[in-house]
Amino acid sequence: DVKVTQSSRYLVKRTGEKVFLECVQDMDHENMFWYRQDPGLGLRLIYFSYDVKMKEKGDIPEGYSVSREKKERFSLILESASTNQTSMYLCASSLEWGQGYEQYFGPGTRLTVT
Amino acid sequence: QKEVEQDPGPLSVPEGAIVSLNCTYSNSAFQYFMWYRQYSRKGPELLMYTYSSGNKEDGRFTAQVDKSSKYISLFIRDSQPSDSATYLCAMSRDNYGQNFVFGPGTRLSVLP
Repeated sequence: DVKVTQSSRYLVKRTGEKVFLECVQDMDHENMFWYRQDPGLGLRLIYFSYDVKMKEKGDIPEGYSVSREKKERFSLILESASTNQTSMYLCASSLEWGQGYEQYFGPGTRLTVT
Repeated sequence: QKEVEQDPGPLSVPEGAIVSLNCTYSNSAFQYFMWYRQYSRKGPELLMYTYSSGNKEDGRFTAQVDKSSKYISLFIRDSQPSDSATYLCAMSRDNYGQNFVFGPGTRLSVLP
């Protein structure tokens, strides 16, 4: 079974704090993704990575950065958390192009910034 | 105009009903079309995946794509209470399966 795990299910941080969200997948997938999910807006792509140390901006990268030092781990960093970053954050992974596009999602981290 | 539009519901149907879920999109460059199911407090999971216009069937589920109308549908036959979830359509902007856009999801309740 493909497993994508996220470091926390719930997180509460204060405005201005630096926040790290960690994601680990155990299926040797090339692609990894970070989304945020908000009511009425659906999933929006923040960043994705197609290889170690490689990253591409998604639709809403402002205020976020990412790090992928190892193939199985993809981190999302909020440099200075703000209240408008309160959301559900979902990590996903998938095989490389040509082998299907199914994305496997983690359970999500609900982040509240106060 | 949003790239992908989807009625958020909620949609409530009795057990055994046929359910029709729909998405419209504006970008004619979308290549791959997917339906994900998301149960409460879980991440989405892939239900159906199609590339071309036409129908694809998998058990009680049928995915339909009409590229000329920029319209995709998911039909659920003999709906069950276990089908109660949020259904998200998703489309790939590229040929590499790396850049997806998701609809906001339709919340479905199947009542026993």
